[in-house]
Amino acid sequence: DIVMSQSPDSLAVSLGERATINCKSSQSVFFSSNNKNNLAWYQQKPGQPPKLLIYWASTREFGVPDRFSGSGSGTDFTLTISSLQAEDVAVYYCQQYYTTPFTFGPGTKVDIK
Amino acid sequence: EVQLLESGGNLVQPGGSLRLSCAVSGFSFSTYAMGWVRQAPGKGLEWVATINYRGDSTYYADSVKGRFTISRDNSENTLYLQMNSLRADDTAVYYCAKDSGSSGYDPGDYWGQGTLVTVSS
Repeated sequence: DIVMSQSPDSLAVSLGERATINCKSSQSVFFSSNNKNNLAWYQQKPGQPPKLLIYWASTREFGVPDRFSGSGSGTDFTLTISSLQAEDVAVYYCQQYYTTPFTFGPGTKVDIK
Repeated sequence: EVQLLESGGNLVQPGGSLRLSCAVSGFSFSTYAMGWVRQAPGKGLEWVATINYRGDSTYYADSVKGRFTISRDNSENTLYLQMNSLRADDTAVYYCAKDSGSSGYDPGDYWGQGTLVTVSS
C-alpha cells in the first residue's frame, strides 16, 4: 500500500498570510502514460463532507479560488494558500489515486493565528 | 445541480448487517465511477470501495474486503454498500462520492452529506 504522510499536523496563520501544507507518498504516484501525478487535495470544514480542491497535483477544480495552488511531482507535493481567508479554516487532506487502496494522508488542520 | 443523498445508516450490533444507499441526480450516473469513503468520529478519511461506471470492476480496502460489497443500479441512479459482519471499528460516517471519471481511478468531485453507521451492543 502507498502510505501518505502530511506535515505539519496543524498550523496557525495570520489572515492574508501564506499557508503551506506538505504531502509525501511512500512511492511515486506519477503515471508515465499520461505524464500526470495521481494526487488530489481536499478541504473539509467541520460538519461538512470533503470538497475537491486540486487534482493531478496542480489542476484547480472549477470554482476553487486561485489563492489555492498545488505543486510537486513523484513523491513530494505541496498545497499553498497564498493569502489565508477566514473561510479557509478547515482540515486539508491529500489522496493518491494511482493505485488501490486509494489512501489519504492524515490531514492538516489550518487555523487563524 | 449534482446531488448525492445517502441513507441506511443506523445503530447495529457487532456481527450484524446494513445496506447503505446513495441516490444521485443532476448528472449522467451511468457514465461515472462511484465510491464510498468513511470517517470514524474525530478521525481522518478512509477510502472504502469504488465501482466503475458499468459496475463490472470493483475495488476494496483490505479492512472491508470479504465483508462489504459495493454495487450500483444504473437504471435507478443508485449506489449501494452492503455491509456484513460489522465490527465496532466500522463505526463511522459513510460518504458517497462521484468520481470525476469512469474507470474508478479518479478523485471524487462531488460528495454526499454522509450517513452515520454505529456498531455497538
